[in-house]
Amino acid sequence: GAVVSQHPSWVICKSGTSVKIECRSLDFQATTMFWYRQFPKQSLMLMATSNEGSKATYEQGVEKDKFLINHASLTLSTLTVTSAHPEDSSFYICSAKLAGNSYNEQFFGPGTRLTVL
Amino acid sequence: GESVGLHLPTLSVQEGDNSIINCAYSNSASDYFIWYKQESGKGPQFIIDIRSNMDKRQGQRVTVLLNKTVKHLSLQIAATQPGDSAVYFCAENLAGFQKLVFGTGTRLLVSP
Repeated sequence: GAVVSQHPSWVICKSGTSVKIECRSLDFQATTMFWYRQFPKQSLMLMATSNEGSKATYEQGVEKDKFLINHASLTLSTLTVTSAHPEDSSFYICSAKLAGNSYNEQFFGPGTRLTVL
Repeated sequence: GESVGLHLPTLSVQEGDNSIINCAYSNSASDYFIWYKQESGKGPQFIIDIRSNMDKRQGQRVTVLLNKTVKHLSLQIAATQPGDSAVYFCAENLAGFQKLVFGTGTRLLVSP
């Protein structure tokens, strides 16, 4: 149980285009999902917290107009990188928290490798 | 010694040895801690967790120790196997904020 999927697993795009990444909880409901970014040989950095039916909460330094997050259902959150540039190339990982779980136990997706040319 | 940024601390062990990976966390108010294993190109995989009202928790071949006095967390892996080779991250949950802060990570290399 507690499986999280991401789609696509990798994407290559041209500079200036937008890319959408999907995160799904497959066998549980997640009122809260999280988006992280990880650069090579570095740790995971939280970008934003996404709550179903409400606006995402962004971490300091993360541009909300550039990284659009939509959490339209209890099993799906999407991250859209708008007007992508080479410096946005990174490994994007989502996680989901079980609805009703009082502790912040998060289940992670497999990640999406974004390369912007 | 430890370093941050592009240089992950590395622990090299022989197959069958016991491994101990350490983590210093930052917030004395953190109430929940998790160890994750991350293989190359994959998302983090849950290993074991511990709540702040405990100081030790055991799983299958793994033990987590929590020392709140010095804000230190450790992960012990018994009889380490080549399949344990990965990067290991500790994460602390900031109480009241419901968000995880990840440590810098330690690379574990297990040679046969």
